[in-house]
Amino acid sequence: LAKTTQPISMDSYEGQEVNITCSHNNIATNDYITWYQQFPSQGPRFIIQGYKTKVTNEVASLFIPADRKSSTLSLPRVSLSDTAVYYCLVEYSSNTGKLIFGQGTTLQVKP
Amino acid sequence: KAGVTQTPRYLIKTRGQQVTLSCSPISGHRSVSWYQQTPGQGLQFLFEYFSETQRNKGNFPGRFSGRQFSNSRSEMNVSTLELGDSALYLCASSRDRYTDTQYFGPGTRLTVL
Repeated sequence: LAKTTQPISMDSYEGQEVNITCSHNNIATNDYITWYQQFPSQGPRFIIQGYKTKVTNEVASLFIPADRKSSTLSLPRVSLSDTAVYYCLVEYSSNTGKLIFGQGTTLQVKP
Repeated sequence: KAGVTQTPRYLIKTRGQQVTLSCSPISGHRSVSWYQQTPGQGLQFLFEYFSETQRNKGNFPGRFSGRQFSNSRSEMNVSTLELGDSALYLCASSRDRYTDTQYFGPGTRLTVL
């Protein structure tokens, strides 16, 4: 049964790099992983997605190791405004053919 | 340019009824994805439509269905409503979910009594 797991919460300090890991069954080589950010009382906001070993955009990086049993969202030099809930969404095309969210990680950035 | 719009914004229904929600994507976007969010279950993926075809789906019963029209507008339907269907239903559009940023609408808040 496909399952996507994230840490419930994480703390960090301003200026630090934050890595949030999402654990999942091994997924197919072309299966996508997507990360979203959500602030209270707002809808989710797309951050990054990919299926290759490393994807980078202007706000984050996504790392997927060769065994594809986990993936990591990396946020460089976080600020107080990065305090939010972060969700990963994993595609399981060869398993259940479905997309399943993790339960969300509440990131608290402290000054 | 106009964002993703969802109608209605709020809806109250009773158990056993059915409901249809609408999502109008950003102009030029062919992919529309639907999500359910509840305090207990968090965010859950419902399904994605691309050029009128369902391309991906989540773990929901057949009571939840959707469709996409030739103008990319999408509707989702929930039949035989249950109390547990009370949630915020979100849609997001993109040119292609696999290659482009997705933009979310404000959501439809459904309350089932």
